[in-house]
Amino acid sequence: GAVVSQHPSWVICKSGTSVKIECRSLDFQATTMFWYRQFPKQSLMLMATSNEGSKATYEQGVEKDKFLINHASLTLSTLTVTSAHPEDSSFYICSARVLEQALPGYTFGSGTRLTVV
Amino acid sequence: AQKVTQAQTEISVVEKEDVTLDCVYETRDTTYYLFWYKQPPSGELVFLIRRNSFDEQNEISGRYSWNFQKSTSSFNFTITASQVVDSAVYFCALSERTGTASKLTFGTGTRLQVTL
Repeated sequence: GAVVSQHPSWVICKSGTSVKIECRSLDFQATTMFWYRQFPKQSLMLMATSNEGSKATYEQGVEKDKFLINHASLTLSTLTVTSAHPEDSSFYICSARVLEQALPGYTFGSGTRLTVV
Repeated sequence: AQKVTQAQTEISVVEKEDVTLDCVYETRDTTYYLFWYKQPPSGELVFLIRRNSFDEQNEISGRYSWNFQKSTSSFNFTITASQVVDSAVYFCALSERTGTASKLTFGTGTRLQVTL
């Protein structure tokens, strides 16, 4: 149980275009989802916390107008990288908190590797 | 603010050697959770263990074992008789409090290379 499905797994886009990444909770309701970014050989850095039905909370230094987060339902959160540039090329991964004791606590999507050319 | 430190950036061992990955954390909360995740080259995060702050029992799972010591704020991870398939980046992480909004803070990771 507690599976988060993330799509696409990888995407290549041209500079200046926008890219949408989806994360769906398949067998549970995710009130809150977290979006991380990971540059090569670096750690996962939290970008924002996505709350169902309300505005996302962004970490310091993350441009909210560039990284649009929508969490319109309890099973779907999306991250849109607007006007992407090569420096946005990174690995993006979403996560949801799971509260049931038998489960690990946080479940992660499989990640999206974004390359902006 | 919470912080996780993994001082070892890269470790290289020969297969069958034992290896310990260090993790030191900082938090002001008395209730918190500690995690270890494995990230193979494919990128997905593989959950290894969760430990809450009130449970200091060490744990063993097959070749994996964890040593949680609150006195030194450490949560170290040992792989016994390492194998090539253990090669990956390992992250230690901390979550303060409980509830769906509690965020996970990751350490910088330790890249483990196991060679034949």
